Amino acid sequence: GIQVEQSPPDLILQEGANSTLRCNFSDSVNNLQWFHQNPWGQLINLFYIPSGTKQNGRLSATTVATERYSLLYISSSQTTDSGVYFCAVRGGGADGLTFGKGTHLIIQP
Amino acid sequence: DGGITQSPKYLFRKEGQNVTLSCEQNLNHDAMYWYRQDPGQGLRLIYYSQIVNDFQKGDIAEGYSVSREKKESFPLTVTSAQKNPTAFYLCASSISLVDRAKNIQYFGAGTRLSVL
Repeated sequence: GIQVEQSPPDLILQEGANSTLRCNFSDSVNNLQWFHQNPWGQLINLFYIPSGTKQNGRLSATTVATERYSLLYISSSQTTDSGVYFCAVRGGGADGLTFGKGTHLIIQP
Repeated sequence: DGGITQSPKYLFRKEGQNVTLSCEQNLNHDAMYWYRQDPGQGLRLIYYSQIVNDFQKGDIAEGYSVSREKKESFPLTVTSAQKNPTAFYLCASSISLVDRAKNIQYFGAGTRLSVL
């Protein structure tokens, strides 16, 4: 099946810093979603972005489908941005989403 | 208030016992999914349903069963055959499974299952 790799696995930043999270996938995809998992386990939808670029406030995402990667940018980080960020894709003939292992982000005050 | 409701939030299972996790959605979505998350890992697909009275196995279906008798409900039973059931279980739904433009998945708040 399709493989999803996220980097870095852990990231510690000071409040106000910018960050870039990367997601590589091994096959063509028809769905790519970015999620933020909060400390209570809730998965919050950030972007649906199988290709192209989108922005929502301090967050933006870019997917280059031909090169099989996606990037999530977080600018001017706040402590509430802490948590685990997951990239999930649908592709390789699968019907559900295949998740990466996530990037654990800690924003220190 | 539209959304996906999972219950209970916490569940404990005794040895040899079957337990059922509830998932209800009022989004009028056709497709529903169950995922399992282990500590420090991403989610893995257990079962999914494209439409009422239809469901398919995902990557880790052994030891689990589901039903889809109503559009809004997709309960998951963790059977005694599942030897390592302790995990966080998340239910999701999407407008459609077939139409890629309508395949955005939304998740419930999850159920944490532990074995006594």
